[in-house]
Amino acid sequence: SYVLTQAPSLSVAPGQTARITCGGYNIGLKSVHWYQQRPGQAPVLIVSDNGDRSSGIPARFSGSNSGITATLTISSVEAGDEADYYCQVWDDGSDLHVFGPGTKVTVL
Amino acid sequence: EVHLMQSGAEVKKPGDSLKISCKGSGYDFPHSWIGWVRQKPGKGLEWMGFIYPGDSDIRYGPSFEGQVSISADKSISTAYLQWSSLKAADTAIYYCVRRTLGGSYFPHWGQGTLVTVSS
Repeated sequence: SYVLTQAPSLSVAPGQTARITCGGYNIGLKSVHWYQQRPGQAPVLIVSDNGDRSSGIPARFSGSNSGITATLTISSVEAGDEADYYCQVWDDGSDLHVFGPGTKVTVL
Repeated sequence: EVHLMQSGAEVKKPGDSLKISCKGSGYDFPHSWIGWVRQKPGKGLEWMGFIYPGDSDIRYGPSFEGQVSISADKSISTAYLQWSSLKAADTAIYYCVRRTLGGSYFPHWGQGTLVTVSS
């Protein structure tokens, strides 16, 4: 089955830029979606189809998919951005959905 | 507004059976995929499977086929996740999710149901 990879953790200072990557075989051919999960809360969809921000999500969050990796970029990081971030794709070959293992973002 | 309301927390013993529920509202329930995501304590998200209530078409993730049963009652806009014999390893939060029509992502999530299996 299709496998997604993510770095387990990332630390970033307030005001800096965080880049969270998601890898997978031929990921450039897939639509990648991103979810934010704050401690004790349900996940929230923040970016769909590689780069479409969900309603109410600040413009500081952006997504891209270069073909080698998909990236969620958080500009001007704030303390409230501290959360786990998961990428997700639909593997049309198996008709199954797959989540990445998640990246824990810590704001220093 | 789309809303997914899940049943409350459960504490069970190994070997017990269990059925948890998720009631959808604010959208055309029969014609939208609805499913389940597992999150074990301190771990990541795992897609378990989903169902199309209109015709009861079901897809299971590879780790969950034969381990759980997904069903739905479109007359009351409710989806279910069922176990016949729980194990301690089933201890987790289970989220109900709705997939968009024509999309491949989950914009709508339930609040989660914590299932604790302990002797």
